[in-house]
Amino acid sequence: EPEVTQTPSHQVTQMGQEVILRCVPISNHLYFYWYRQILGQKVEFLVSFYNNEISEKSEIFDDQFSVERPDGSNFTLKIRSTKLEDSAMYFCASTYGVGDTQYFGPGTRLLVL
Amino acid sequence: KNEVEQSPQNLTAQEGEFITINCSYSVGISALHWLQQHPGGGIVSLFMLSSGKKKHGRLIATINIQEKHSSLHITASHPRDSAVYICAVRSWVNDMRFGAGTRLTVKP
Repeated sequence: EPEVTQTPSHQVTQMGQEVILRCVPISNHLYFYWYRQILGQKVEFLVSFYNNEISEKSEIFDDQFSVERPDGSNFTLKIRSTKLEDSAMYFCASTYGVGDTQYFGPGTRLLVL
Repeated sequence: KNEVEQSPQNLTAQEGEFITINCSYSVGISALHWLQQHPGGGIVSLFMLSSGKKKHGRLIATINIQEKHSSLHITASHPRDSAVYICAVRSWVNDMRFGAGTRLTVKP
């Protein structure tokens, strides 16, 4: 069965550093999403992406964050200057249509020191 | 106030018991999702509902749009059902709002 993959599985970085989290959505999917889950808290929506543009973003997704689909397969989340509070599990998800079931990746656990 | 409220927060059951997890929401939605999060953190989508009822194996999900309420039922629960069950709603602008999750433990 096709699946969403994410790399790396874990990343440790110093405060102020840039990180790029990578996702490979399911190949024929058209809608892509990033979510985060701070340890012990609920999952939060960050951004949705369709047709090479951001379609929706939350208040969390400020100027420090950006997303890109640099080629036909990867979908990336960049955090320009990480803060301690960016430490979280980041999940990518994809769907074929906007109303379809979301398929989640296994997550990247980011720790900012 | 949270837009998506789940109850209970924690639930412990004996193997074989019938389980119900509830979700209430306060925003207009285009669909409601039930997700399962395993202890390792991975998230699996169980159901997506916009009306009525869906069944998959021992899992049943229902939604009442008028009452803004959904339930997830597990029949003949098993220890492997132990996980966090999350209710999430997709608003009309295609963002998702998540409940805090219900931590289910099924004891053998």
